[in-house]
Amino acid sequence: DVKVTQSSRYLVKRTGEKVFLECVQDMDHENMFWYRQDPGLGLRLIYFSYDVKMKEKGDIPEGYSVSREKKERFSLILESASTNQTSMYLCASRGLAGRMAREQYFGPGTRLTVT
Amino acid sequence: QQQVKQSPQSLIVQKGGIPIINCAYENTAFDYFPWYQQFPGKGPALLIAIRPDVSEKKEGRFTISFNKSAKQFSLHIMDSQPGDSATYFCAASHSGSARQLTFGSGTQLTVLP
Repeated sequence: DVKVTQSSRYLVKRTGEKVFLECVQDMDHENMFWYRQDPGLGLRLIYFSYDVKMKEKGDIPEGYSVSREKKERFSLILESASTNQTSMYLCASRGLAGRMAREQYFGPGTRLTVT
Repeated sequence: QQQVKQSPQSLIVQKGGIPIINCAYENTAFDYFPWYQQFPGKGPALLIAIRPDVSEKKEGRFTISFNKSAKQFSLHIMDSQPGDSATYFCAASHSGSARQLTFGSGTQLTVLP
């Protein structure tokens, strides 16, 4: 089974802090994604990476950056956390081959609160 | 721009009822339509998916109905159970897009015992 793990389930940070959210997948997937989930808005794509050191902006990249130095790890960085970044953050990965090539596998999420 | 519109936002049914969740899309290039199920405290997980060359797909108690001309698709849950209580997301993607999935806004389903 594919496993996507996120470094923290719950996180509380202060306004202005630099925040790192880590995601690791164990299936050698090429693509990785960061979403934020807010009630009534569904899942909105922040950034995705289609290969090591490669990244593309999603729909709401402002205030975020990402890093992918190794294939299995994708980090989301909030350079200066703000209260409007309080949300659930979901990481996902996707392979490119096989019958399930389009399926995205999600981690359990990190609920971030910025005070 | 919301390319996949989902309704209703919440739904309450009695055990054994048939909840129906609807989605409509705008981009005619979409060629893959999955539904994801999310339980509290968990990430979404793929439930069932359909491609536009068929009008219906059934897996167990879950059925997707697809209407290509209307650009709509829906999820039906037969003989719903309290354990089906979750948030359901429709999504769409096309093979030409590396970013893959565009999600609907989600439906919170509650099945009463």
